[in-house]
Amino acid sequence: NAGVMQNPRHLVRRRGQEARLRCSPMKGHSHVYWYRQLPEEGLKFMVYLQKENIIDESGMPKERFSAEFPKEGPSILRIQQVVRGDSAAYFCASSPRQGRYYGYTFGSGTRLTVV
Amino acid sequence: AQSVTQLGSHVSVSEGALVLLRCNYSSSVPPYLFWYVQYPNQGLQLLLKYTSAATLVKGINGFEAEFKKSETSFHLTKPSAHMSDAAEYFCAVSAKGAQKLVFGQGTRLTINP
Repeated sequence: NAGVMQNPRHLVRRRGQEARLRCSPMKGHSHVYWYRQLPEEGLKFMVYLQKENIIDESGMPKERFSAEFPKEGPSILRIQQVVRGDSAAYFCASSPRQGRYYGYTFGSGTRLTVV
Repeated sequence: AQSVTQLGSHVSVSEGALVLLRCNYSSSVPPYLFWYVQYPNQGLQLLLKYTSAATLVKGINGFEAEFKKSETSFHLTKPSAHMSDAAEYFCAVSAKGAQKLVFGQGTRLTINP
């Protein structure tokens, strides 16, 4: 079991480009959570998805950010028209069912740098 | 709404000394509480979690934490620090009915030889 896989590990984008971050949950996990970690800060919740459904997107910026978790394939966090303030580490976590009971497994993150 | 406050963004202890990392939470309902460790350029690893069973929770690497409802605290301790404990530590809360974690700002632990 390879754990939660995130790719790429590092991503550099110019201002105005699109960033696509991928997260493959652990085998058997159907719940995915995305968090953002700004420099010198804790992790902030962004979105919680189950297969083909967004359950809670209360932490997602209203514009430019979107997330999906299709029936087949990894979960994708998409940032359109990136700005310098989007530079951060983005972490994905997965759980087999409700994470607070069964535990969350985190990936190693994608570090996005906007230049 | 839930929130977590970690007192002390940086803590430095000598090797072999007691480690105490403080965490206070705010929650209107009984919380689940977690401690995670993050090594440089890595993801988060679960140290331990409190899920309304025993108030003293033992975790990995010799760490433990005690849930004190009257003090709304969940401090992390380790009797004897090791150089390999140097990392960032995060306390997090998840309230009943919520599936997301709310994290504290983190405490960077430095171990002096």
